[in-house]
Amino acid sequence: AQKVTQAQTEISVVEKEDVTLDCVYETRDTTYYLFWYKQPPSGELVFLIRRNSFDEQNEISGRYSWNFQKSTSSFNFTITASQVVDSAVYFCALSESGGSTLGRLYFGRGTQLTVWP
Amino acid sequence: NAGVTQTPKFQVLKTGQSMTLQCAQDMNHNSMYWYRQDPGMGLRLIYYSASEGTTDKGEVPNGYNVSRLNKREFSLRLESAAPSQTSVYFCASRDFRLRNTEAFFGQGTRLTVV
Repeated sequence: AQKVTQAQTEISVVEKEDVTLDCVYETRDTTYYLFWYKQPPSGELVFLIRRNSFDEQNEISGRYSWNFQKSTSSFNFTITASQVVDSAVYFCALSESGGSTLGRLYFGRGTQLTVWP
Repeated sequence: NAGVTQTPKFQVLKTGQSMTLQCAQDMNHNSMYWYRQDPGMGLRLIYYSASEGTTDKGEVPNGYNVSRLNKREFSLRLESAAPSQTSVYFCASRDFRLRNTEAFFGQGTRLTVV
């Protein structure tokens, strides 16, 4: 079973629309860390945000916001008023704190977001 | 500050050839990773090294070997390349002691096996 599930393979929106990218994770650890990365067409991986399991406070950074809910094991990412430059593949990732998976970093399969002008 | 440096950026191999992908980081990170990225499959972990002197298999280790040469360098070797190993390879590092730090990625190596 995948530890990080991004059920949306592709999303297309028109500029200025809001869009939410879903991420559901699975872990038995009580301490864990979640991340979002962006991969633009140029191919590099750009870090966006990290969140630890003890911090359920939602975060807003400009047009980006993240909603972390431990009750549903979700860490969703919303882009408000999307722009063409937001077109990219977005990855959610999980790092656990111990046991046999110590140090591993699990990625979801990514969501391809296309923003049309 | 170079971060994570991967070489080469592009490579074409014939089936059966061998090669080593090099990765070096200058951030004094203890953990390093090799991922491959294939369409629709996301980033899959090949091998990782939680600290200098240790390496562990990830999800897709078959056909690969790794060497954690020192704290800075983590190489990935393909002993006998196969077309199924055509992919984009990413090296990453992070400071696992701080655990909540993000991974820093190299620019990627686009490998084609013909």
